[in-house]
Amino acid sequence: DQQVKQNSPSLSVQEGRISILNCDYTNSMFDYFLWYKKYPAEGPTFLISISSIKDKNEDGRFTVFLNKSAKHLSLHIVPSQPGDSAVYFCAASVRGGADGLTFGKGTHLIIQP
Amino acid sequence: GAGVSQSPSNKVTEKGKDVELRCDPISGHTALYWYRQSLGQGLEFLIYFQGNSAPDKSGLPSDRFSAERTGGSVSTLTIQRTQQEDSAVYLCASSPDRGNEKLFFGSGTQLSVL
Repeated sequence: DQQVKQNSPSLSVQEGRISILNCDYTNSMFDYFLWYKKYPAEGPTFLISISSIKDKNEDGRFTVFLNKSAKHLSLHIVPSQPGDSAVYFCAASVRGGADGLTFGKGTHLIIQP
Repeated sequence: GAGVSQSPSNKVTEKGKDVELRCDPISGHTALYWYRQSLGQGLEFLIYFQGNSAPDKSGLPSDRFSAERTGGSVSTLTIQRTQQEDSAVYLCASSPDRGNEKLFFGSGTQLSVL
């Protein structure tokens, strides 16, 4: 039973355009959401997070949007750069819970020159 | 060290053998996690240590898997009688404390069971 779903295994975007990565979740108890970025042969690195009390969090070129009623969040990258090519994992947690982070399967973002 | 260190980076073993994977977390981080990523899958939680408390073993897939953390620092994940389905990347992560979900990951150990 996948509680965090990333339905697009891959996404190709032209350099300079906006990249939108989507994530859906099923557990209504999740109250904290994160995006991680992973390059080949490296561990995931934290990118941006959002608490369930907010619907938007922005950090430079990266913005995360949360729609609690739809149990959906998205990561926007604008403008997209070649170095953004990586696998992006959506993760969710119940703060104070015992299960740590629940990750999606990831979306491989490819930025085309 | 500057980051989370894992060894070995690659491990090839024969089915039925035991393997040990090591994780050296960031100094001062009290929380340590083990995850694994099988081909085409997301990161699967295995086990979590917080300070000197008893570990949360709820994610371990079978009793062939065990882990320990000595002195609240270095952790070893042991897989006994390895099976081919154990082949995956095993990732260790640490964070300053339990409530901090901004995990710092190591580069992982690629385990291949032949």
